[in-house]
Amino acid sequence: QIVLTQSPALMSASPGEKVTMTCSASSSVSYMFWYQQKPRSSPKPWIYLTSNLASGVPARFSGSGSGTSYSLTISIMEAEDAATYYCQQWSSKPLTFGIGTKLELK
Amino acid sequence: QVQLQQSGAELVRPGVSVKISCKGSGYTFTDYAMHWVKQSHAKSLEWIGVISTYYGDATYNQKFKGKATMTVDKSSSTAYMELAGLTSEDSAIYYCARDSRDYGMDYWGQGTSVTVSS
Repeated sequence: QIVLTQSPALMSASPGEKVTMTCSASSSVSYMFWYQQKPRSSPKPWIYLTSNLASGVPARFSGSGSGTSYSLTISIMEAEDAATYYCQQWSSKPLTFGIGTKLELK
Repeated sequence: QVQLQQSGAELVRPGVSVKISCKGSGYTFTDYAMHWVKQSHAKSLEWIGVISTYYGDATYNQKFKGKATMTVDKSSSTAYMELAGLTSEDSAIYYCARDSRDYGMDYWGQGTSVTVSS
């Protein structure tokens, strides 16, 4: 199965700061999906097909990458962005998720 | 609006089975397959499998074969997942999530907590 390694596992950012987190796949994947999860809530779709924002996701978010290397970037950190972000691949079964990057507000 | 309503929390003894439900509303249930995902502290998010809500055929993560059985009842727009021979390793939150193809898992249930304890 394809293993997704997210880094860092934990990070903190101040409001206004640029944030970048990465997701590395053990084998090449065609696309990457990202989900946001806050405590005591279900995951929410955040980015689909590598770079497309899900409905309602602020434009300060962006996704990029190809092959085995993908990233999620927040251009300007806001308090509401504090959450855990998971990457997920759909290129081969079993579908797999990364362990998540927990983003905290500094 | 699209909603996936899951059944309530379960506290069960080791060795028994439990059946979780996920009722879809606000859309044509049979137009979208349904995934099941496990979330535990130890393993983060794990994909259990996906079931065609139209045909009823399921694809499982090899890890969960023999543990999970997914079914659907089209008449009630409900997907089910039965977990057998429960152990403490099965204590987790289980989510159903709609498969919207290129958009990923676009709607998630609120999650069902399963606690296995004697």
